Amino acid sequence: NAGVTQTPKFRILKIGQSMTLQCTQDMNHNYMYWYRQDPGMGLKLIYYSVGAGITDKGEVPNGYNVSRSTTEDFPLRLELAAPSQTSVYFCASSYGTGGRNTIYFGEGSWLTVV
Amino acid sequence: QKEVEQDPGPLSVPEGAIVSLNCTYSNSAFQYFMWYRQYSRKGPELLMYTYSSGNKEDGRFTAQVDKSSKYISLFIRDSQPSDSATYLCAMSDGGNEKLTFGTGTRLTIIP
Repeated sequence: NAGVTQTPKFRILKIGQSMTLQCTQDMNHNYMYWYRQDPGMGLKLIYYSVGAGITDKGEVPNGYNVSRSTTEDFPLRLELAAPSQTSVYFCASSYGTGGRNTIYFGEGSWLTVV
Repeated sequence: QKEVEQDPGPLSVPEGAIVSLNCTYSNSAFQYFMWYRQYSRKGPELLMYTYSSGNKEDGRFTAQVDKSSKYISLFIRDSQPSDSATYLCAMSDGGNEKLTFGTGTRLTIIP
């Protein structure tokens, strides 16, 4: 049972470089999310998608872009990486919205910008 | 004031003890309340879900919500070393895209 799969697990980027964090889910979930988790700050929503072709900003979208061309995939693009983007990134998905719909998280991607 | 406050710990208790984890919040519109467990180097996983006020029990875990005090708790009975993890509270007034997480409490159960 794969669930939500994220790649890469670890990455070191230089300031100004760009990269894409990949996320795929095999549960046929409509909703997908990208969070970042910083020490002492909790999980913050970056972007989310309610279905293929539809994306929307979360709480901390600056410096990121997303696309959702298929139900399964929801990549997160970092343009012009900055040290402030050093964080742990989690992709997640849920069948629907509302508190009754469990959010399933991937295992995380550790990103360091130097 | 943060919308959701959670004591970061760390909290260390002996095996078999009862553990109490708590969160307070300021938004009276919150009506969905969750507890997530996060093992080291892993993603969070849903542990308990409660709608509105009241108690919910699942095995050794009990979630309590007191909306009048804006206070939620998670109790772990007969704690085990496998319960050692970070526990995150989360709450929403509607959709999952509005979920607000606490900062997490790091719990260690000592054998």
